[in-house]
Amino acid sequence: GAVVSQHPSRVICKSGTSVKIECRSLDFQATTMFWYRQFPKKSLMLMATSNEGSKATYEQGVEKDKFLINHASLTLSTLTVTSAHPEDSSFYICSAHRASGSQETQYFGPGTRLLVL
Amino acid sequence: GNSVTQMEGPVTLSEEAFLTINCTYTATGYPSLFWYVQYPGEGLQLLLKATKADDKGSNKGFEATYRKETTSFHLEKGSVQVSDSAVYFCALSDQGGGNKLTFGTGTQLKVEL
Repeated sequence: GAVVSQHPSRVICKSGTSVKIECRSLDFQATTMFWYRQFPKKSLMLMATSNEGSKATYEQGVEKDKFLINHASLTLSTLTVTSAHPEDSSFYICSAHRASGSQETQYFGPGTRLLVL
Repeated sequence: GNSVTQMEGPVTLSEEAFLTINCTYTATGYPSLFWYVQYPGEGLQLLLKATKADDKGSNKGFEATYRKETTSFHLEKGSVQVSDSAVYFCALSDQGGGNKLTFGTGTQLKVEL
């Protein structure tokens, strides 16, 4: 199957600093990627849809100035958590949309564990 | 709006037992339905999917049938193995898998010897 990677896999930072998380589709091009947040023992919450070459579309309640998304190429989207605070600690997961003929599937990265101290 | 409801876990079974994880949904239109699996320390993987009513998705011994009349997509496996221990997520998408996915809360499955 298709491979999506995330980097870093886990990061610890101080409150007030910014953290960048990368999401790469390794063997296909993805015009659309998605960023999710997963709370402990909870479901995945869609944060935003990242579109290559255009602005991301954020879900209701997600602060676009706090969670900056850049989709500069067909294989890379980045999520930057700006001025991170302890409540931003979470598991962030990206997915990449792959369209192959009539089949459309999302492939997920392994996730990034963020801990803000 | 769209929503997915899954049975709460954890579900603990002995190896070779029969598994059912219930999933029901609410959606406008005709969504596609998915089961994703998350093994410990790994990302979500697509387990199976169904794109229209009465379709049956199957993979690795798991099956789920798209039931429009009961708005359900229950996951079943006839004989579970220890290696099936994971968290299982039911999800729906309005248009194929490329558009936004709405997930259930996930059901943790533990299979013991």
